Amino acid sequence: QKEVEQDPGPLSVPEGAIVSLNCTYSNSAFQYFMWYRQYSRKGPELLMYTYSSGNKEDGRFTAQVDKSSKYISLFIRDSQPSDSATYLCAIRPGGGNKLTFGTGTQLKVEL
Amino acid sequence: SQTIHQWPATLVQPVGSPLSLECTVEGTSNPNLYWYRQAAGRGLQLLFYSVGIGQISSEVPQNLSASRPQDRQFILSSKKLLLSDSGFYLCAWSGDYNEQFFGPGTRLTVL
Repeated sequence: QKEVEQDPGPLSVPEGAIVSLNCTYSNSAFQYFMWYRQYSRKGPELLMYTYSSGNKEDGRFTAQVDKSSKYISLFIRDSQPSDSATYLCAIRPGGGNKLTFGTGTQLKVEL
Repeated sequence: SQTIHQWPATLVQPVGSPLSLECTVEGTSNPNLYWYRQAAGRGLQLLFYSVGIGQISSEVPQNLSASRPQDRQFILSSKKLLLSDSGFYLCAWSGDYNEQFFGPGTRLTVL
């Protein structure tokens, strides 16, 4: 079993839709949770960072963590064509510097 | 503000040739530095990380090596490239907090 599982997609939605992207993880030692957005042929860009269960909102983006279920989500409201990218979850244990990444979900928002 | 640079952006090299990729960070001191490789359809694989000058930790035994000759400079090298070394190479840095910030990447094709 992989430490972090993420559906690769592709996920195609119409403009304005609410998008839900998800990751599951297996190690309860993971304490810090991040979401990155990666446009084609570019480096990943940090979108959201959280370390506690519950929701964290930033504009159209909401990160949700459920540590009891080992499940994290990223919601995008009012999705735009510019949101078309690959979204990577990244998780870190309580100690150390190393992140474990999901394989990424490719999202396409269509006009 | 902090910025991270990588060069070259694109590189095509023959099998058996040497490699040197450079990463520099501006606007911070004593960063943690990381080299990742991203293969098509796969997640980010951590290759090396460094917590200080001359301190390198290798995550995956392979044909590559890393060096940190200065506080904000990280170099990825190979003496003889293999076909399997092709991929998208990403440098990242982190500071006192948990987030990692990525550079624009170098796309390496070994022919």
